[in-house]
Amino acid sequence: ETGVTQSPTHLIKTRGQQVTLRCSSQSGHNTVSWYQQALGQGPQFIFQYYREEENGRGNFPPRFSGLQFPNYSSELNVNALELDDSALYLCASSPGTAFTDTQYFGPGTRLTVL
Amino acid sequence: DAKTTQPPSMDCAEGRAANLPCNHSTISGNEYVYWYRQIHSQGPQYIIHGLKNNETNEMASLIITEDRKSSTLILPHATLRDTAVYYCIVRVNNDYKLSFGAGTTVTVRA
Repeated sequence: ETGVTQSPTHLIKTRGQQVTLRCSSQSGHNTVSWYQQALGQGPQFIFQYYREEENGRGNFPPRFSGLQFPNYSSELNVNALELDDSALYLCASSPGTAFTDTQYFGPGTRLTVL
Repeated sequence: DAKTTQPPSMDCAEGRAANLPCNHSTISGNEYVYWYRQIHSQGPQYIIHGLKNNETNEMASLIITEDRKSSTLILPHATLRDTAVYYCIVRVNNDYKLSFGAGTTVTVRA
C-alpha cells in the first residue's frame, strides 16, 4: 500500500505567476484535504475535496483553487502568486470526510515566491 | 472549535518515557482527541486518536482523563528520532478539517 505522494518537492516561482501542485492519495481514500504551512506556524486548512467536489473551504481567497480526479488524485492551483504564498503545501488523504476519518499527510511541496 | 492548550516546548532524555500534556477543557461528548507530529520540514505524521478510553498502538499511548478535559500522549522510550513538534487536536462532529495550534516542540537529548 503506497502512502500519500506529492510533486514537485520544491518549486520556485516569481510574483504574479501561477502554480500547480499535485497529490496522489493513499490507496482506498476518496477524500483529499490541502493545507498551507508558513514558516514557524502550524498548517492551515485550505480546502477539501470529496468525490471530485469541493467539500469545504478555509479562509483562503478564490485564487486558490483545486481539482480532484476520478482516481482521487488532486491538484492545488494558485494564481497571481504573492510573496506571502511562500510556504509548505501539504495534502492529506482520508477514507472519508467524517471527523473520525484519519487524515494521512504527504511530504509536502515547498513553494518559494520571489 | 474546541481549543487545545499545550506547553510550547519540553525536553526529555533518550530512552526515557516522554509525557506530553494537552488541555481541552471545552471538549464535548462526541469529540475525538487526535495527535500528530511533524519532524522538521516533513508532513505531519498521524500518531494516535481516542474518544474516552485509553488507547495504545505501536507508536504511543494516549491517556484521556475521566472528565475528558485533558489528555497525555506517552512515548514509552523516546529516541532522538522522536524530536519533533507534537500537535494535539480536537476534532468536532461535522468538522472535516484539522485545526492545528502551535503544538509542543519536543527535543530528545542523548
